[in-house]
Amino acid sequence: DTGVSQDPRHKITKRGQNVTFRCDPISEHNRLYWYRQTLGQGPEFLTYFQNEAQLEKSRLLSDRFSAERPKGSFSTLEIQRTEQGDSAMYLCASSPYGGGANVLTFGAGSRLTVL
Amino acid sequence: AQRVTQPEKLLSVFKGAPVELKCNYSYSGSPELFWYVQYSRQRLQLLLRHISRESIKGFTADLNKGETSFHLKKPFAQEEDSAMYYCVFFSGGYNKLIFGAGTRLAVHP
Repeated sequence: DTGVSQDPRHKITKRGQNVTFRCDPISEHNRLYWYRQTLGQGPEFLTYFQNEAQLEKSRLLSDRFSAERPKGSFSTLEIQRTEQGDSAMYLCASSPYGGGANVLTFGAGSRLTVL
Repeated sequence: AQRVTQPEKLLSVFKGAPVELKCNYSYSGSPELFWYVQYSRQRLQLLLRHISRESIKGFTADLNKGETSFHLKKPFAQEEDSAMYYCVFFSGGYNKLIFGAGTRLAVHP
C-alpha cells in the first residue's frame, strides 16, 4: 500500500460531458474525504464517507455531483454535464477511525480542465 | 461560522532569516489546529498539529486562544522550506478540515 491513489491524474473534457474520478484510500482507513482546490485557494470540503456511508455533503456539491463508496473501500466522484467552473484539482484523502482520525493522508489529486 | 485566515499570500525571506507564517481562526470553543504543507510537485501533507506540541523540521506553532492565533514559526529558514503552507482547523462536529487560503513561503539563497 503506497498511500492514497487517485485516477486519472489529469482529465480534459468538453463542457457538458460527464467525468468520473476514482480514489483508492489507504486500506485500513475507513474514513474518506473529497476536496476541491481551485487556483489560489485552499482545499474546500466536498463530502465525507465513513465506510460506505456518506455522512456529510457540502453545499458546494450541486446535484450534478455524486460520490459513492459502495463497499467501503474505493470511492468515485462523478460530475455530470461539466461546466467550466468545475475546472479544479479534486483531492481525495483518508484517515483511520479513532486516534489519528483527524489526520488526513491526501492523494496526489485529479486535475480537471473543462474546455 | 468557523473560519481560518492566512493574511499573507506570499512570504519571501532569505536563508537563515526567521520565519513567521500567520494564522487566525474564528471559533468560540477549543479548536484543533494543524499546519499542512505542500512542497513543489508533492502531495499535501501534515506538518504539525497543535496538540502534539512538537517541533517538526524546526517549525513550531503555539495556539494562542486569547488572540485566536496559531502562527507557524522557524528561527532560521532553509531553502528546502520553500513551499505552500496551509493553516487548518478541524471541525469536529462536521468531521472535516477547514483550510486557510495558504501562504507561499519562498526562501532565497
